Amino acid sequence: QVHLVQSKAEVKKPGSSVKVSCKASGDTFNNCGIIWVRQAPGQGLEWMGGIIPIFGSTNYAQKFQGRVTITADRSTTTAYMDLRSLRSDDTAVYYCARARIAEASPYDYWGPGTLVTVSS
Amino acid sequence: EIVLTQSPGTLSLSPGERATLSCRASQSVSSSYLAWYQQKPGQAPRLLIYGASSRAAGIPDRFSGRGSGTDFTLSIRRLEPEDSAVYYCQQYGSSPHTFGQGTKVEIK
Repeated sequence: QVHLVQSKAEVKKPGSSVKVSCKASGDTFNNCGIIWVRQAPGQGLEWMGGIIPIFGSTNYAQKFQGRVTITADRSTTTAYMDLRSLRSDDTAVYYCARARIAEASPYDYWGPGTLVTVSS
Repeated sequence: EIVLTQSPGTLSLSPGERATLSCRASQSVSSSYLAWYQQKPGQAPRLLIYGASSRAAGIPDRFSGRGSGTDFTLSIRRLEPEDSAVYYCQQYGSSPHTFGQGTKVEIK
């Protein structure tokens, strides 16, 4: 069974940074990419970017270029999403999800989400 | 970037009825790399359909998808109260993997 376990909720000040973790079970890190998607309160899903752990390659949405860094630690099968220069409109639930890397693949497993609140 | 537009915004139907949700892309979705997800309040999205028409593991056959190019449809036959949710389409064939804005299905 595949599990993606995310870190707990965070409250951050504007201008600070947040690092959200996503620990994957099973063979996820050998066969899949990890993607980050966020959802502001009452809003839709927004793709942020992802990483393929076995290659270390990353891909980011243009909107977040320069402000987000996605990394993966293969020894602990944990992926991280680091978002800097936080603003109030970064308040959202941040999800990690996985997608197989053999071919363009949908996101078949999702973490439960991590609420990040940005408030002074 | 491929923009996905879903319609209608909200669908209000009775149990047993059929729901038809639309997803239109601003440009052709390569190799029908189009997925549908269901999201209930307070939960993460769940994969329903991939490749435009293939059901994910454990998804009942009441859910079906079809389409190609720029026009895609999700159908839900014999609606049940548990189908009340927001449904999102997503293209995963080209980066960024964009989502539609969602269709809310309400069960009367």
